[in-house]
Amino acid sequence: EVQLVESGGGLVQPGRSLKLSCAASGFTFSNYYMAWVRQAPKKGLEWVATISTSGSRTYYPDSVKGRFTISRDNAKSSLYLQMNSLKSEDTATYYCARLQWLFDYWGQGVMVTVSS
Amino acid sequence: DIQMTQSPASLSASLGETVTIECRASEDIYNGLAWYQQKPGKSPQLLIYNANSLHTGVPSRFSGSGSGTQYSLKINSLQSEDVASYFCQQYYNYPLTFGSGTKLEIK
Repeated sequence: EVQLVESGGGLVQPGRSLKLSCAASGFTFSNYYMAWVRQAPKKGLEWVATISTSGSRTYYPDSVKGRFTISRDNAKSSLYLQMNSLKSEDTATYYCARLQWLFDYWGQGVMVTVSS
Repeated sequence: DIQMTQSPASLSASLGETVTIECRASEDIYNGLAWYQQKPGKSPQLLIYNANSLHTGVPSRFSGSGSGTQYSLKINSLQSEDVASYFCQQYYNYPLTFGSGTKLEIK
């Protein structure tokens, strides 16, 4: 059974940093692209970052480019999202997802609140 | 960027009814479209991919159709467990983009 478990969320002040983690199990992690998707409270879904199987290629939307960094450790079956220079508009639930162009499995999500 | 326009924003229907949700892309996405269901307080779950292929374990009362820029999700024989928000997503090109969602309630 595919499982994705996020951690690392919480309350952070504007301008500060936070790093999210996602522990994967139930599939061969190194064979899949992975991604982060977020959802602001009562809002829709927004793709945040994608990473290739080896980690050599990463993709971001303009809204987070230069501030967020996605990475992975295939030996640990783990995905990460380093978020710097956080803004209030980054407040959202962040989901780790397995990516095959579409998102075929999702974690339960972790809440990030950016507020002073 | 490819914009996804989803309608309606909300929908109320009776048990056993058939409902349809529409999604329009701002350009041809060549069937690179997925539909997700998000139940209250839960993470999204994949329903349909490639516009019309049912994901593993999804009940056959769900179906997808469309081509080019116009796509739809149909739910036959509405059940109480179908109360959820539904989102479309295009994966023809980056940035990956979602529709704004449809909230489905039981009348």
